[in-house]
Amino acid sequence: AQRVTQPEKLLSVFKGAPVELKCNYSYSGSPELFWYVQYSRQRLQLLLRHISRESIKGFTADLNKGETSFHLKKPFAQEEDSAMYYCALRKTSYDKVIFGPGTSLSVIP
Amino acid sequence: DAGVTQSPTHLIKTRGQQVTLRCSPKSGHDTVSWYQQALGQGPQFIFQYYEEEERQRGNFPDRFSGHQFPNYSSELNVNALLLGDSALYLCASSFPPGSYNEQFFGPGTRLTVL
Repeated sequence: AQRVTQPEKLLSVFKGAPVELKCNYSYSGSPELFWYVQYSRQRLQLLLRHISRESIKGFTADLNKGETSFHLKKPFAQEEDSAMYYCALRKTSYDKVIFGPGTSLSVIP
Repeated sequence: DAGVTQSPTHLIKTRGQQVTLRCSPKSGHDTVSWYQQALGQGPQFIFQYYEEEERQRGNFPDRFSGHQFPNYSSELNVNALLLGDSALYLCASSFPPGSYNEQFFGPGTRLTVL
């Protein structure tokens, strides 16, 4: 069965420091991978997806099939990055989305 | 476009009761998915509706059922409520499976079972 793990429940970094939110998945095929974000008092929203290979709000995520990881990175954290981040997986675009437990990122001014 | 809307915002029920939650998808979307998010956990997929039929289902008992109407809005019904059903219930809408279908989430309905 597919599974997504995020080893850090909480992550605190200082403003301007690099940030990396870890995500590992278990699936033998080639899934679609996503990062979702939920800012305080806002709804869950898509941040980025691996097939787009894009940078959103300075965040990037690299899919490492060998390590089955999809870590989210940003070189210089900003206070407005404080939020809950969820890594998610989908086998194909026809399948359900499976979410990890989430990492709460706190950026200290 | 108000995006995905859900009602009610909050709901308190007692064990054994039944509850109905409602969702209106984003304009132009015809696929609705429901998720349960318990405190401190990520959303768990319940089921997905497309063309008024349940297309996929997660590992939830038959007490959880749903419906999709011709206007694409959807309902989630939970029978014989248990304390463990207390959670935030999220609705997400998208274009049909198979397309570049980003899911847009609603604000959720907070269900408390006493």
